[in-house]
Amino acid sequence: QLQMQESGPGLVKPSETLSLICSVSAGSISSSPYYWGWIRQPPGKGLEWIGSIYYTGSSYYNPSLKSRVTISVDTSKNQYSLKLSTVTAADTAVYYCARSGSGLPRWGQGTLVTVSS
Amino acid sequence: EIVMTQSPATLSVSPGERVTLSCRASQSVTSSLAWYQQKPGQAPRLLIYGASTRASGIPARFSGSGSGTEFTLTISSLQSEDFAVYYCQEYHNWPPIYTFGQGTKLEIK
Repeated sequence: QLQMQESGPGLVKPSETLSLICSVSAGSISSSPYYWGWIRQPPGKGLEWIGSIYYTGSSYYNPSLKSRVTISVDTSKNQYSLKLSTVTAADTAVYYCARSGSGLPRWGQGTLVTVSS
Repeated sequence: EIVMTQSPATLSVSPGERVTLSCRASQSVTSSLAWYQQKPGQAPRLLIYGASTRASGIPARFSGSGSGTEFTLTISSLQSEDFAVYYCQEYHNWPPIYTFGQGTKLEIK
């Protein structure tokens, strides 16, 4: 069964760049026709799609975050990454990676990122 | 931009009851509608996709219906493990764009 695991710093300073990696196991990130995405959830709030990427590198972003987001893929390592620049306290959230397939049937467990000095 | 609106925000129900959750889209999403269940400290779990198809391993007491702009998730007989937050989501397979509703919390009455 496909496994997905987020990793990265749990604390980021305001104005800096948040960086996370999603490692995929028991399945290939190059599998067609799946997209690999990031979703976040501020504490006590709802879910927000950040963006998604195909193994070729084609990416799509939430328009509300597009100016600050970069998602990239490394097929040799079977992983993909999220970079969110110029973070503020409003970016504090649990960040999930997830795979597409008529909705989002596969999710990582999530990782909490706190933005604070 | 499509806006997904769920109602009610919170629903207090007793185990064994039948419950219906609603989700409305600001414009037609045809049948590209999914429902998720999320329990505290866990990732969301896909329950329904294509508005009415149960995902793998989802019990038959969960059913989805609707098309266009109006959708419902019905749980035929609530079990203790069903108390959670439920989200609807419209999705596009191409390009991969996803929009979530704000969620409905099912709590024990």
